Order: sequence, then C-alpha cells, then structure tokens
Amino acid sequence: DGGITQSPKYLFRKEGQNVTLSCEQNLNHDAMYWYRQDPGQGLRLIYYSQIVNDFQKGDIAEGYSVSREKKESFPLTVTSAQKNPTAFYLCASRTRNTGELFFGEGSRLTVL
Amino acid sequence: AQSVTQLGSHVSVSEGALVLLRCNYSSSVPPYLFWYVQYPNQGLQLLLKYTTGATLVKGINGFEAEFKKSETSFHLTKPSAHMSDAAEYFCAVSVYSSNTGKLIFGQGTTLQVKP
Repeated sequence: DGGITQSPKYLFRKEGQNVTLSCEQNLNHDAMYWYRQDPGQGLRLIYYSQIVNDFQKGDIAEGYSVSREKKESFPLTVTSAQKNPTAFYLCASRTRNTGELFFGEGSRLTVL
Repeated sequence: AQSVTQLGSHVSVSEGALVLLRCNYSSSVPPYLFWYVQYPNQGLQLLLKYTTGATLVKGINGFEAEFKKSETSFHLTKPSAHMSDAAEYFCAVSVYSSNTGKLIFGQGTTLQVKP
C-alpha cells in the first residue's frame, strides 16, 4: 500500500547527541514536510522540500537539518543545537492538485 | 499571511449529541481548508477538505463542514457523537495559489465523548 513510513516510532537521546529521523514515501509526491508537535501548540513547520536536492526552512528550523537526495526520502536530523528537542515529529507529503497532506505515524523523541 | 484559530482547546459532548468544533481562518486570498483528526501517538488523518465549489463539504465518519466566506469560518459538525470520535482535531489552511503547499494549523481541539 502507498503511504509514508517514519522510523523509529520512539527514540531516546542523551543531551548533546545528534539524532536522525527517517521519512520514506512511496506516493510519488514531489513535496515533503517536517512538522513538530507539542501539547497545546498545534503543528509547527520545521523544513519542507518541493523537489529533490532543494529544501527551505520553515518557522522553527533552528537546531534542525534535512537532506533530499531522493524523491522518496526526507530525513530530519535533530542536532545538539536544538535547545528543547523532546517532541512528537511528523513527516508529510503533498498531492499536487488539492494540496492535501498525507502524514506518517510520527516519531516521538525524548531527550534524557 | 494566513492563520487559523480554533475556538476551544477542549470540547466535551455526550454520546449521541451534536458535535461542533469551531474554526476561523484569516487569508487575503481564497483559501483551501482542511480538517484532520489525530488519535493518540498517531499521525494525522484527513477528515475533509474544501478547495473550490460546493461550500458544504462531507467527509469521513459522518463529519461535515461548511465554508462561510463572509464569516471566515469552517466549522466541523457531526449530528451524533460516537465514543470512537474522541480524538484531537486540527483545522488547517493553505493558499491555493501558492506553490509551497504549506499548511498552517490551528492549535487543535480535543474532543471528549462521555457515555
């Protein structure tokens, strides 16, 4: 079935460590997005990519990095520079016609 | 710039009662509007969307929403709540003329359904 796969589902990290969250889609969508979700704050955009080898910062990009080497993949690295990384991270891709986003199941990162 | 306001972070209804979740948006150009549902520790699932055409939009699980341009609203309703409707609901807006495809989300409304 077509969809978006995020891994790992749960991740624990020590302070000062970088961690990479995986996002893979087989929907043949050009555009992909990373959102961060915190209780009571809705979803905030971290980075997005509209095409391979190109990406743009969202509203809260500081302390994060991404790459888009393949159409199917859009990994997110949470660096040690991110001051408050504990959160639920959601990856999404977009249909071209209606703008609907399809979401993965999310990755919950906890910094110990 | 676009924005979304969801009135009420928590809504509680009895099983079988009407569900009404409120969403107001701000957009200087015609918007695309969406409602998503999220169950605990899961991703978001699309309930319904408005792009163009008919302003009353029907979605999955018996939900519907009406786009009211004069009121800049896109409230979500369901005639009779079911226990399985308990979840968090997000309203979102994007600009159809924009090629970035970014969705701006509201803060979310948690729906509690009491037996």
